[in-house]
Amino acid sequence: DTGVSQDPRHKITKRGQNVTFRCDPISEHNRLYWYRQTLGQGPEFLTYFQNEAQLEKSRLLSDRFSAERPKGSFSTLEIQRTEQGDSAMYLCASSLRSTGASYNEQFFGPGTRLTVL
Amino acid sequence: AQKITQTQPGMFVQEKEAVTLDCTYDTSDQSYGLFWYKQPSSGEMIFLIYQGSYDEQNATEGRYSLNFQKARKSANLVISASQLGDSAMYFCAMRGGTSYDKVIFGPGTSLSVIP
Repeated sequence: DTGVSQDPRHKITKRGQNVTFRCDPISEHNRLYWYRQTLGQGPEFLTYFQNEAQLEKSRLLSDRFSAERPKGSFSTLEIQRTEQGDSAMYLCASSLRSTGASYNEQFFGPGTRLTVL
Repeated sequence: AQKITQTQPGMFVQEKEAVTLDCTYDTSDQSYGLFWYKQPSSGEMIFLIYQGSYDEQNATEGRYSLNFQKARKSANLVISASQLGDSAMYFCAMRGGTSYDKVIFGPGTSLSVIP
């Protein structure tokens, strides 16, 4: 399977605990994105990377959230001191940024569903 | 700021009929792109179709076509010959402006195909 993968698929945690999610993009893709999707809503942009550089962060990404892509391949999203409001699906996507392309299709992973009790 | 509006929370269509899902957008950018994604109950987001703001022709991909009306700022998705497997959430999305790869999604429309 050469698509975007995410681990774990489901995570249940208690309020106040830290959680970390992993995303493995399509291997040749240089851009990686994180989104959050709550029930009945569309995905909301959180942050994205080009290679290892984090180029943009949403205001939704509070100081409890941190994302890394240390070697420009996989990425991790950590949430510290989780709150019940963090319960959502966390989606990762990747794309190949190429000059001259009219658009860069984002390919999504299956998501990690977080439940904070 | 960019915004996507999808006014139909839920739609029903008879199998083999065509259906139009509405999308309007708001942006002050001259250059932007519009997407439609499908999200089945399994959760993965599936790219369907793309329309660039400077594209003169409406985009088509198989049974999907995008009815792009720039002056009205609308980008409706038309699905022809609906199939049971088309039952899913459909999201209209836009990218543009200073952050050309940041995609803003609408709230979605739930489509149910009736046999």
